[in-house]
Amino acid sequence: QSALTQPASVSGSPGQSIAISCTGTSSDVGAYNYVFWYQQYPGKAPKLIIYDVNYRPSGVSSRFSGSKSGNTASLTISGLHAEDEADYYCSSYTSSSTLVFGGGTKLTVL
Amino acid sequence: QITLRESGPTLVKPTQSLTLTCSFSGFSLSTSRLGVGWIRQPPGKALEWLALIFWNEDGRYSPSLKSRLTITKDTSRNQVVLTMTNMDPADTGTYYCARNVIFSSGGPGFDYWGQGTLVTVSS
Repeated sequence: QSALTQPASVSGSPGQSIAISCTGTSSDVGAYNYVFWYQQYPGKAPKLIIYDVNYRPSGVSSRFSGSKSGNTASLTISGLHAEDEADYYCSSYTSSSTLVFGGGTKLTVL
Repeated sequence: QITLRESGPTLVKPTQSLTLTCSFSGFSLSTSRLGVGWIRQPPGKALEWLALIFWNEDGRYSPSLKSRLTITKDTSRNQVVLTMTNMDPADTGTYYCARNVIFSSGGPGFDYWGQGTLVTVSS
């Protein structure tokens, strides 16, 4: 299985909204509504921010939302804050009953 | 309070095997819908899923590494062990263990993570 495809970097100004895409295949992203998003600060462990495409774990800001269309999932962050600057990774369950991560996206808040 | 902690060697020689232990507290791997997995991250690079074991002994492996990996659990000791054979310098990176939960909506996600342990493969 190949890693899911994410843009290497995205940027936005405080208060703006940005979206990060995550493209897979019909064997992973397109197969189930089991897409996850993780936020990772430098030197820290990842944190789950979205599960099953569009659900937020308790305590995660409502500014984070997820969606999916076909083989592409997206993470949207609305009302950007400086503290949103981090790396973001998508992950998907696959039709082989395994998991796969994306290549990661570095978000810069200008 | 749920915590996970990775332990094992920080330096491994090429061709040797690596054994990492994940010790956890705050949950039991006898509870349905729970699992523990391993994820690694080479310096400056992306996360890579390695393996996952569920409460029912069901083990899953990354297809590209399956021949080199073994994951086991000791429910009574609250530990999960990952063994990776034939280590190579390309395996250098931070290795994380994380709790996996099958959410009510169906998907298996990692909701609690350890701090990670850096493993360097070098002669």
